Parts: sequence; structure tokens; C-alpha cells
Amino acid sequence: GAVVSQHPSRVICKSGTSVKIECRSLDFQATTMFWYRQFPKQSLMLMATSNEGSKATYEQGVEKDKFLINHASLTLSTLTVTSAHPEDSSFYICSARDTTSGTYEQYFGPGTRLTVT
Amino acid sequence: SQQGEEDPQALSIQEGENATMNCSYKTSINNLQWYRQNSGRGLVHLILIRSNEREKHSGRLRVTLDTSKKSSSLLITASRAADTASYFCATGRNNAGNMLTFGGGTRLMVKP
Repeated sequence: GAVVSQHPSRVICKSGTSVKIECRSLDFQATTMFWYRQFPKQSLMLMATSNEGSKATYEQGVEKDKFLINHASLTLSTLTVTSAHPEDSSFYICSARDTTSGTYEQYFGPGTRLTVT
Repeated sequence: SQQGEEDPQALSIQEGENATMNCSYKTSINNLQWYRQNSGRGLVHLILIRSNEREKHSGRLRVTLDTSKKSSSLLITASRAADTASYFCATGRNNAGNMLTFGGGTRLMVKP
């Protein structure tokens, strides 16, 4: 099946620094990728929809200047958490849809655990 | 805001028993999907049911969808300890590339 990878799997950074998380579709093209955030024992909350070659669409309450999304190719989307604060510590998960398959199924990455100290 | 609500939030059963999880949603949907997540890991897609389908099977999984009640259920038969995980329903709408909205999840524990 289709595989989505994320890098890094874990990252610890200091407050005020920026962190970039990569999401790659390994064996399919994805014009649309999604970024989610998940706090402990909670569900996934959609942060933004990443569209290849255009600006991302952010969900209400998500600061676009803080969470920078770049979807520069059909297989790569990046999420940069700028000026990170401890409250940004969370599990970030991306997903991608194989837009050539004609199905609705989305494939999820393994997630990135961000800890801001 | 989350569209789906899942019930129960937590479920503990013995190995061999069946586990039933329910999901309700609020708006019209194109499809509904069930995912599994082991602690601290990514999501694994289990099954997708389209809005014009009422029931779907996959191995020990059975999913039903009642669009009139805006609800779905996931049944895991003959549960195993390895089924211990969190299970999420997610509703998809035919816009923005099928953006998914997740329910709160059910934490299932299967005791050996």
C-alpha cells in the first residue's frame, strides 16, 4: 500500500527556536496533504490543508504565521513551527491522499513528537 | 471543531469477546472511515464506507453506516490482545481533497 513518511520522528527544541517537519509520500503523488495535531489522549485536530503549488488552507484558530506550510512538490510537504513554545509540544501527523487513485482513502505518516523545553 | 463523537470513550473486554464502537456525526458526508492508532504511533486505515453503503466487512471488522441517524458502528469480532489500541472514526466531505474530521476516539483494551 501507499506509504507516507515523516521526519524527524522525535524532536526536542528550545523555546523560541523553529522546527521543520517533513512529510513525504513515498510511492504516490499527493497534490493535497493534511497536517494534524494530537495532544495526549485526544483526537486528531486538523491544522491545515496543504496544496501543491499554492497556499495552504488553515483551520480556524491555527496561526498561519506560526505554522508555516510549504508543499513544493507532489511528494513533499513541510510544516515549520516558528518560535516554538512549550504549549506547541504535541504529536504532529500528516496525511496524504493519492489523487490519481480515485479513492477517498488517506494515508497517514507515523507522526512527529515535538517537545519544546 | 470535531464533527464526530465516539461512544464509548473507553472499552475494556476479554480476549475472544466482541467489541462495538459507535460514532455519530453532524453534517452530511461523502464517506466515513475508521482508523486504528497504537499508543504514540501513526494511524492505520481500517475500512472506508461510502455514504451510499450500509454495511461493509473486512476480516474480523464489520462497519455499518446509517446516514439517516448520522451514525456508524465498528464491530471487532473475536477480539485479540493485539487489538488493544485507540479507534477513531473520520468523516470525509467531497471538498478540499476529502478533508477528514475525526471523532474523539475509543480506547479499547483487550485483556488476555
